[in-house]
Amino acid sequence: DIQMTQSPSLLSASVGDRVTLNCKASQNINKNLEWYQQKLGEAPKLLIYYTNNLQTGISSRFSGSGSGTDYTLTISSLQPEDVATYYCYQYNSGNTFGAGTKLELK
Amino acid sequence: QVQLKESGPGLVQPSQTLSLTCTVSGFSLTSNSVHWVRQPPGKGLEWVGAIWSGGSTDYNSALKSRLSISRDTSKSQVFLKMNSLQTEDTAIYFCTRPARGWFAYWGQGTLVTVSS
Repeated sequence: DIQMTQSPSLLSASVGDRVTLNCKASQNINKNLEWYQQKLGEAPKLLIYYTNNLQTGISSRFSGSGSGTDYTLTISSLQPEDVATYYCYQYNSGNTFGAGTKLELK
Repeated sequence: QVQLKESGPGLVQPSQTLSLTCTVSGFSLTSNSVHWVRQPPGKGLEWVGAIWSGGSTDYNSALKSRLSISRDTSKSQVFLKMNSLQTEDTAIYFCTRPARGWFAYWGQGTLVTVSS
């Protein structure tokens, strides 16, 4: 099974900061990666599909990139409403979520 | 609009069988797949399994021996059955549907607690 490792597990940042979240796969996943945002008490929300495609209705301050085994979610200017836990998910082989990065305000 | 809603018992005794229902509206099960994803309290997400538009199923390999997903298209319902429940199966169970991404639409989730 493909393992997904997210880093850092906890990230503290200030409003307006550029924030980068990382996701590393245990083998090449051919860009078959998505990012989800989950706020406390809510269902997850799809942000990015196929590595770098913004889901409809999602703010353009979110972007994704990567290839092979290494992928990144970037928030260009952190807003208070972005406080959440972020999960990467691969579907190249099997279906695996990362353990999540909890993003909080400094 | 697309909606999904999970329903189930809330509390299940260890070694018993869990039965959950996902009732959908705004789309057809014969044109769309439905997936189950679960989340233990305070922990991360785990894909459980799926029923595809044609009726075939796929399951998480770690759960496959205990899991069954089926549907009733006339009632717009998808069913999850998992037997031999243990405390580690305590989780919020979500049903979800793809649209561009794998999990674009979600239900609100239903908490299942395994306890005697």
